[in-house]
Amino acid sequence: EIVLTQSPGTLSLSPGERATLSCRASQSISNNYLVWYQQKPGQAPRLLIYDASSRATGIPDRFSGTGSGTDFTLTISRLEPEDFAVYYCQQYGNSLPYTFGQGTKLEIK
Amino acid sequence: EVQLVESGGGLVQPGGSLRLSCEDSGFTFSSHWMNWVRQAPGKGLEWVANIKEDGSKKNYVDSVKGRFTISRDNAKNSLFLQMNSLRAEDTAVYYCATGGWYGVDWGQGTLVTVSS
Repeated sequence: EIVLTQSPGTLSLSPGERATLSCRASQSISNNYLVWYQQKPGQAPRLLIYDASSRATGIPDRFSGTGSGTDFTLTISRLEPEDFAVYYCQQYGNSLPYTFGQGTKLEIK
Repeated sequence: EVQLVESGGGLVQPGGSLRLSCEDSGFTFSSHWMNWVRQAPGKGLEWVANIKEDGSKKNYVDSVKGRFTISRDNAKNSLFLQMNSLRAEDTAVYYCATGGWYGVDWGQGTLVTVSS
């Protein structure tokens, strides 16, 4: 089973700043099959990025995903007030199960 | 447009059973793999199971194998999760989501609480 480790656990930033969230895998993820989700309190997750770098339908271009192998990054170029939430990565490139990271909480500084 | 609505959650005693449902009010249910993903209170996400469009292939996380069964009825645009031998650690919000490998569209979730 692939273990995904997200860092930092909590990120405190102000609107307008740039956010960089990390997701590191315990082994290489084939085909860079990694997604990022955003989850706000009391809501279901929302798909942001798939295949490590492709934005899902309707996702603003301030969200971008990069990385390959074992190291992946979600960048939010300029934070909007609605971006403060918990972010999860998930891999689907290797054998089951599809595993999630533990999440990064992005909070307002 | 995909609109998923889960139901069937509630309070159940350890060792008990519960059947969750997920209805898609859109028109493309039969063309999607479907997933169940759960989230324990205050915790992260855990993929539970998925099922192929025609129901011919099913996958499960090890912790639920032999206890949970995923199924679907394409004529009724519905997904199900039969949960038997429930344990306290199964307490979570259960989400259904479209997609074979990851969740594209998600329902709002239904809470399952396993407690005596």
